[in-house]
Amino acid sequence: DVKVTQSSRYLVKRTGEKVFLECVQDMDHENMFWYRQDPGLGLRLIYFSYDVKMKEKGDIPEGYSVSREKKERFSLILESASTNQTSMYLCASSPQRGGGQETQYFGPGTRLLVL
Amino acid sequence: GIQVEQSPPDLILQEGANSTLRCNFSDSVNNLQWFHQNPWGQLINLFYIPSGTKQNGRLSATTVATERYSLLYISSSQTTDSGVYFCAVRPESWGKLQFGAGTQVVVTP
Repeated sequence: DVKVTQSSRYLVKRTGEKVFLECVQDMDHENMFWYRQDPGLGLRLIYFSYDVKMKEKGDIPEGYSVSREKKERFSLILESASTNQTSMYLCASSPQRGGGQETQYFGPGTRLLVL
Repeated sequence: GIQVEQSPPDLILQEGANSTLRCNFSDSVNNLQWFHQNPWGQLINLFYIPSGTKQNGRLSATTVATERYSLLYISSSQTTDSGVYFCAVRPESWGKLQFGAGTQVVVTP
């Protein structure tokens, strides 16, 4: 079974703090993704990566950065946390297949509260 | 970008009932997935179904790509079916999955 793990289930931070969210997958997947989920808005893509050291902006990259130094690990960084970044953060991974026919596998999520 | 609309937004079912969830999308797709998010937040992939029909136990899904919609059927619902069901689509061979807003399902005993 594919396993995607995230470093924390719950996190409380103060405005202005630097926040690191880590995601690790054990299936040698090329693609990794960070989403945030807010009520009524579904999942929105923040950043994704299709290879080590490669990253692409998603729909809402402002206020976030990412790092992928190893294939299995994809980190999301909030340089200076703000209250509007309070949300559920979900990491996903998928294999690289032609024709876009890959299935995404999700981690358990991190509920971040910024005070 | 591609628009994804799910209906209904909320659904309350009595245990044992059947239901149909719908996903409409605004462009041709080559990737469509249905996910279930349990009350603890974990998303599980239910189906990869850009076209055709698939069944997995009490769940089945049908996508009519030419008419740009997909249906998820839940039969003989159980309380463990509660959660949010998301439809996600991708309009091109390499692009982003676009998620709908989800259908919140509550199954009561």
